[in-house]
Amino acid sequence: EAGVAQSPRYKIIEKRQSVAFWCNPISGHATLYWYQQILGQGPKLLIQFQNNGVVDDSQLPKDRFSAERLKGVDSTLKIQPAKLEDSAVYLCASSYDGFYEQYFGPGTRLTVT
Amino acid sequence: EDQVTQSPEALRLQEGESSSLNCSYTVSGLRGLFWYRQDPGKGPEFLFTLYSAGEEKEKERLKATLTKKESFLHITAPKPEDSATYLCAVRDNAGKSTFGDGTTLTVKP
Repeated sequence: EAGVAQSPRYKIIEKRQSVAFWCNPISGHATLYWYQQILGQGPKLLIQFQNNGVVDDSQLPKDRFSAERLKGVDSTLKIQPAKLEDSAVYLCASSYDGFYEQYFGPGTRLTVT
Repeated sequence: EDQVTQSPEALRLQEGESSSLNCSYTVSGLRGLFWYRQDPGKGPEFLFTLYSAGEEKEKERLKATLTKKESFLHITAPKPEDSATYLCAVRDNAGKSTFGDGTTLTVKP
């Protein structure tokens, strides 16, 4: 069974630029999550989708971050404009539904200079 | 607001030296406590799910236990390949996940 795919793996941008991350979850998984993980900390939930609807985006900085999940499968997370404090690893995860274990992708390491 | 606190932040063991990692939590209706392992540069990897106090799960040298306020991950006779960061997470009644900051385990040969 293929795992969660993410791209790109690494991205370096200057502050005020925009960036987008892509995630393809495990086939058949209804729930998709985006997390931000700062070095030395645990993953912090940014947004959770159930199929193509948003379940929780309470910690998503909506003035600069946006996310969508097309047709309940792939998802993109965008940051515009980026700030220095956005430097982190962005993890995508999926689960069969919102109460099962999550399977994580390898993450995208973002560096904002 | 759900909270998860893991201790210690870092743990160094000699190969074969058993120990335990702690995960203390407060949650509005526990619908599952999860343990994950994270290697450097990789995403977390699922280890265990515990649902109710008294429950235990085992996998190789790892054993997870759960009480109403905390969970322990016991590591018996660890090997260098067990070195990783171990993350604890809780799921509440609304399906929201909250992660702790992890314990970084280093096992020296």
